[in-house]
Amino acid sequence: AQTVTQSQPEMSVQEAETVTLSCTYDTSESNYYLFWYKQPPSRQMILVIRQEAYKQQNATENRFSVNFQKAAKSFSLKISDSQLGDTAMYFCAFMLRQGGGYQKVTFGTGTKLQVIP
Amino acid sequence: KAGVTQTPRYLIKTRGQQVTLSCSPISGHRSVSWYQQTPGQGLQFLFEYFSETQRNKGNFPGRFSGRQFSNSRSEMNVSTLELGDSALYLCASRPGLSTNEKLFFGSGTQLSVL
Repeated sequence: AQTVTQSQPEMSVQEAETVTLSCTYDTSESNYYLFWYKQPPSRQMILVIRQEAYKQQNATENRFSVNFQKAAKSFSLKISDSQLGDTAMYFCAFMLRQGGGYQKVTFGTGTKLQVIP
Repeated sequence: KAGVTQTPRYLIKTRGQQVTLSCSPISGHRSVSWYQQTPGQGLQFLFEYFSETQRNKGNFPGRFSGRQFSNSRSEMNVSTLELGDSALYLCASRPGLSTNEKLFFGSGTQLSVL
């Protein structure tokens, strides 16, 4: 079974600064996706960024980038130039590709990020 | 295109009752999955439906059940409610099981069991 661990329950960052959220996962498989989802107070989960395990290049989406260390099973999220709208719960997630399909998603327990003006 | 719609937004029930939650996926999406979110536990997978068939199931008791209709809308039912069932229930849809890995989420149903 796959597990996802987020060891930082809460974090804060000053507006315009950079913050890194940590995530580690455990799997014996080699074909999978990793995600970071954001959940603002509206409760709707929004995909921030995703990374295919077989791609060595780290994914980037505007101010969001990841540091994917496959051997260490680490997948951290870096938010640059933090904005007030980044205040939210952030979930790291893992999806296994198996049998020609994408299997259920396993989520971490989340990191609550507060951006301070 | 309309997003994933979950109804109701809030629900209050008492122990022993049963409850049905509804999820309408994005038009054209045939897969619907359900998650339970509680503080400290994150999101836990309940089940996933595709073409009216349950394809994956999480580790929840049989009191939790679901179904999917021919128009891809899905319902989740919890019988004999317990206090621990209080949670945010999220539904997510995607086009299929093998064509897309991205999940599109609804805003959830907040269930409180008294």
